[in-house]
Amino acid sequence: QQQVKQSPQSLIVQKGGISIINCAYENTAFDYFPWYQQFPGKGPALLIAIRPDVSEKKEGRFTISFNKSAKQFSLHIMDSQPGDSATYFCAASMNTGFQKLVFGTGTRLLVSP
Amino acid sequence: GAVVSQHPSWVICKSGTSVKIECRSLDFQATTMFWYRQFPKQSLMLMATSNEGSKATYEQGVEKDKFLINHASLTLSTLTVTSAHPEDSSFYICSATTQVTGSYEQYFGPGTRLTVT
Repeated sequence: QQQVKQSPQSLIVQKGGISIINCAYENTAFDYFPWYQQFPGKGPALLIAIRPDVSEKKEGRFTISFNKSAKQFSLHIMDSQPGDSATYFCAASMNTGFQKLVFGTGTRLLVSP
Repeated sequence: GAVVSQHPSWVICKSGTSVKIECRSLDFQATTMFWYRQFPKQSLMLMATSNEGSKATYEQGVEKDKFLINHASLTLSTLTVTSAHPEDSSFYICSATTQVTGSYEQYFGPGTRLTVT
């Protein structure tokens, strides 16, 4: 119940295209859903995050869509660029204890020029 | 703002020796720090959670006597890998959070690559 399932494992998108990564969770106590971007040899960096009281959040080219009833959320990267090539992790946490993050398995995105 | 640093960025040590990794919050006070390890092409695995001035809470399966965590101040946490073995080689990442603002956002360090020979 603590798992966050992420798909696809890898993704190749042409420059200018839309990259879509999906995550699903079981624990309805989760109330914070961030997405992280990680480049090789670096720590993850927060891209965008959403709470379950909204269905969509957009920041620049990055959009989170959240479906509370389906317990799913997704990251859309519009106008994907080669510089977006990285590994993306979704995560979830709940507002109890120390707000530990549960990470998805990651998606390796390659944006071809 | 909200910068977390780690030192060293990479370290090579011999089997049987101990190595210490530092995690610092540079511009904020971290009430809680987390330590993760990450194997190549895998996700982050939480090892332990530490709060300033108290003992760390280890995740199931993580040897507390092997991975010593000290959160001595609101800006510094250290992870000591004792009697390191080649299987301890990994990428270790810390994160820090503060509940002062109520955002509960975790700020990640750049990671430390440990290679045990």
